Parts: sequence; C-alpha cells; structure tokens
Amino acid sequence: RKEVEQDPGPFNVPEGATVAFNCTYSNSASQSFFWYRQDCRKEPKLLMSVYSSGNEDGRFTAQLNRASQYISLLIRDSKLSDSATYLCVVIGSGNTGKLIFGQGTTLQVKP
Amino acid sequence: GAGVSQTPSNKVTEKGKYVELRCDPISGHTALYWYRQSLGQGPEFLIYFQGTGAADDSGLPNDRFFAVRPEGSVSTLKIQRTERGDSAVYLCASSLFGGEGSPLHFGNGTRLTVT
Repeated sequence: RKEVEQDPGPFNVPEGATVAFNCTYSNSASQSFFWYRQDCRKEPKLLMSVYSSGNEDGRFTAQLNRASQYISLLIRDSKLSDSATYLCVVIGSGNTGKLIFGQGTTLQVKP
Repeated sequence: GAGVSQTPSNKVTEKGKYVELRCDPISGHTALYWYRQSLGQGPEFLIYFQGTGAADDSGLPNDRFFAVRPEGSVSTLKIQRTERGDSAVYLCASSLFGGEGSPLHFGNGTRLTVT
C-alpha cells in the first residue's frame, strides 16, 4: 500500500463549480500535511498547509481528519486557471523532513 | 532572487552510460532534496541532505544511484549504468531548514531519457 493515496481523476468540472479532493495516508504518526499544485510540465509549488483545525485561503479550504487519516481540499467557484494536478503531501516519519507525495489528482475546469 | 536551478534541463543518454545531474539550491537553504517523477505519478523521494550530509537516502532505488553535496550548497545526482527504467524527470528542491514549517522550493527539473 502506498503511503499517500489519491484518486488520480481526472475531475472535469465547469467553471464556477465546487470540487473536492480527498487523500488518505497510512502512517498515523505523520504530523504535517500539505497540498501542492503542479501545472503541466512544471515543478510542484506549495498551495497550502493543512492544519488540524482546518484552514481556508480564499476559494481553497483544506481539512485534516486524523482519526480517519485523510486530508481534503475543497475548491469553490473554480476558475479555468485552477486546472492543474493537485498533490497531497505528508511529511514522512522519523522527522527527517522528507516529503511523501501522492500520485496527484488532475483537475480540468472547462468553460 | 534566484530560485533552484537544475542543469541540464534535458538529457538523452544511451543505456549503460553514466550521467550527472546538477542542482543549485536557493542561497542559504540548508536542506536539499532529490525526487524523481514519472509520467502520471507524484514525485518519488530519493535523498535528503541537511548541509553536506545525507540525512535520509532511503529512497535511492539501488547502488547505481549516488548523490553528493560536498560544500553544503550545489548537489550532484549521479547515475551509473543507466537503464531505460531510469527515464523520468529528476526534481531538486531546497528549503531553508528542512522539516515542517519550511516549504520546499522546486527547480524545473532535468528530463532524463535513456534510450
């Protein structure tokens, strides 16, 4: 089983739609979680950190459910420019700082 | 300021050859990571440096892969006897301290093709 699992999609949604991605992780000792965004043939970039209390940044909301070991990302009022791959990221055990990436979920927002 | 720089951006080599991939991290960043990414997959961890030392090399797939960071800045990933399965985008990232609270900044990657 992979340490971080995501549904690869693709998710095809119309502009203005609300879309949610989930991600599960296997290591219950994991402490830090992130969502990264990756555009086609570009490098991944940090989108937002995920906190236990949940956090919101504009149209984006990230939540963590430790009991069920899953992380979610909600995008409201989606824009064409939101089209990208969204990578769920967990800091690995052992406090070495290595980030473990999920496979990524591809979002395509259509006019 | 300058971001993470990786060279070359593309490398085509024949099976069995030796290759070196270079990473120039952001100045002052103590942590440096190498990942590789195959099509349709997320980045796969290879090795993490804290300063000059490899703090975690558990992701290196076998002994054909080796990385160094002799002066705590530039790093080189070395692959011996390349195989077609080594074809991927090799991503380097740096962060100020490493660990949580210190986001990674990725370079554009080196696209390696082994023919």
